[in-house]
Amino acid sequence: AQKITQTQPGMFVQEKEAVTLDCTYDTSDPSYGLFWYKQPSSGEMIFLIYQGSYDQQNATEGRYSLNFQKARKSANLVISASQLGDSAMYFCAMRGPNPYSGGGADGLTFGKGTHLIIQP
Amino acid sequence: DSGVTQTPKHLITATGQRVTLRCSPRSGDLSVYWYQQSLDQGLQFLIQYYNGEERAKGNILERFSAQQFPDLHSELNLSSLELGDSALYFCASSPTQVVYNSPLHFGNGTRLTVT
Repeated sequence: AQKITQTQPGMFVQEKEAVTLDCTYDTSDPSYGLFWYKQPSSGEMIFLIYQGSYDQQNATEGRYSLNFQKARKSANLVISASQLGDSAMYFCAMRGPNPYSGGGADGLTFGKGTHLIIQP
Repeated sequence: DSGVTQTPKHLITATGQRVTLRCSPRSGDLSVYWYQQSLDQGLQFLIQYYNGEERAKGNILERFSAQQFPDLHSELNLSSLELGDSALYFCASSPTQVVYNSPLHFGNGTRLTVT
């Protein structure tokens, strides 16, 4: 079964600093995808970035990058030059091809999230 | 905008009642997933439908049921509601059945409050 662990329940960061949100995962599937979602206080779940298990390079999307260390089974999210609008819950999730690996068939398995607060 | 539409946005009802949550997936997406998010349980997978058929079940209570219609919209029915059912219910959609490199796209959720 798949498992996602986010060890930082909450983080306070000064505006304009870089932020690293930790995520470790566990799976027996060789093929899988890792995802980060942002949930602001308004509640919606916003897809941020994706990393595939066979991708050689770390994914980047604007100010977001994913520090993928396959051997360590970690997929940390890095937010550069943080902004007040980055304050939100952040969820790491994974998805695999095995219908029985968790997350509901081929759905997502989520971590418990990190509450990020950006301070001015 | 994710393209996934959920209605209603808010729902307040009393214990013992029954409610229906509705979801329209993104155009072309065949899979619909329902998740429940509560403070103590986090994001819990409830059920998945693919092209009208139930694909997988998670921690869904027997009081809850769902279906996906021929036009691919889905409904989640919650009955005999209890205070503990108060939560944010998300619908998400995905284009194909087993594609691990594509994200699920979430609707804005329905916030259910049971009083």
